[in-house]
Amino acid sequence: GAVVSQHPSRVICKSGTSVKIECRSLDFQATTMFWYRQFPKQSLMLMATSNEGSKATYEQGVEKDKFLINHASLTLSTLTVTSAHPEDSSFYICSASRAALEPQHFGDGTRLSIL
Amino acid sequence: GIQVEQSPPDLILQEGANSTLRCNFSDSVNNLQWFHQNPWGQLINLFYIPSGTKQNGRLSATTVATERYSLLYISSSQTTDSGVYFCAVVTGANSKLTFGKGITLSVRP
Repeated sequence: GAVVSQHPSRVICKSGTSVKIECRSLDFQATTMFWYRQFPKQSLMLMATSNEGSKATYEQGVEKDKFLINHASLTLSTLTVTSAHPEDSSFYICSASRAALEPQHFGDGTRLSIL
Repeated sequence: GIQVEQSPPDLILQEGANSTLRCNFSDSVNNLQWFHQNPWGQLINLFYIPSGTKQNGRLSATTVATERYSLLYISSSQTTDSGVYFCAVVTGANSKLTFGKGITLSVRP
């Protein structure tokens, strides 16, 4: 159990395009979902925390208007990279947790390349 | 914020060898997880281990919360064990994971 599906796995698009990434918990309800960003050869950095039905909490330095997060249900959260530019190219990973202090379960990640 | 340090940063093993990966953290934690990130980027949950010892096949982990460290043991390593091993901790009640920088393991045939 505890499967998290992330889609798409890879996106290549032109500068200025907006890109939406979906994160779904397939076999459990996730009260909290998290979005991370990972640059090559580096660790995961938390971008934001989202709780179902409320606004996401962004980490310091993460632009809210650039990275729009919606957590519309207990099984779905979306990250939209608006007007993407080459510097937004990265590996984005989501995770989901049943409850506070429960383990986080991760999706397979989305590799975003902006040309 | 909490500091999470992993050592060694890089490790090369011959297939069949055993190894110990270490994670030190600077403050009390409510949760600690070990992950394996494979070459395709997938993050595999290995252990949820805020304290005590757990075993899963060739892998085992021990967290000594009072001394602020955790160890991941890999026995009889295989080439498929290659990748990056991350330790991540939660402090407070907000469930946010803070990751270490990872340990890159290469297992040679």
